Amino acid sequence: AIQLTQSPSSLSASVGDRVTITCRASQGISSALAWYQQKPGKAPKLLIYDASSLESGVPSRFSGSGSGTDFTLTISSLQPEDFATYYCQHSGTFGQGTKLEIK
Amino acid sequence: QVQLQESGPGLVKPSETLSLTCAVSGYSISSGYYWGWIRQPPGKGLEWIGSIYHSGSTYYNPSLKSRVTISVDTSKNQFSLKLSSVTAADTAVYYCARDSLVAAGYFDYWGQGTLVTVSS
Repeated sequence: AIQLTQSPSSLSASVGDRVTITCRASQGISSALAWYQQKPGKAPKLLIYDASSLESGVPSRFSGSGSGTDFTLTISSLQPEDFATYYCQHSGTFGQGTKLEIK
Repeated sequence: QVQLQESGPGLVKPSETLSLTCAVSGYSISSGYYWGWIRQPPGKGLEWIGSIYHSGSTYYNPSLKSRVTISVDTSKNQFSLKLSSVTAADTAVYYCARDSLVAAGYFDYWGQGTLVTVSS
């Protein structure tokens, strides 16, 4: 089974920072990767699908890139509401999550 | 606006069967897409359980396949999850979600989740 490894597992940043989260697949998955944001006590929210397609209604400060085995989620300028946990997903596998905290 | 709502017992005894239903509104299950179940143990990450198409075609997580049954009732616009022989390790928040045009593609609409505790 394909494994997804996210890095870092946790990250401290400030409002206005540019942040990048990485997701590495154990084998090539073309562009079949999604990214989610989850806040405490809430369901995950789809941000990006097909590696780089922005879900409708998601702010443009979120972007995704990559193909094959290496993928990134970038937040261009952190806003207070962006502090959350982020997950990548391919097929039936989720990454372990990256917790983004306020510095 | 697509909305999903999970329902079912919040407490299940060990060795028994966990049963949940997801009611869908704002979209007809018969119109397409797969529909999935995902769970999240307290303080842990997300785990895909399985997905179903309106035709009844199912795909399951291999690690749970022997214990999982997902079914669909298009007349009620809902789909259901049964997980047998539960243990404490099955304690989790269970989410239903709209999947994509392929099973376990990506999930764009989610229910609020329901906590199921396995305990005697």
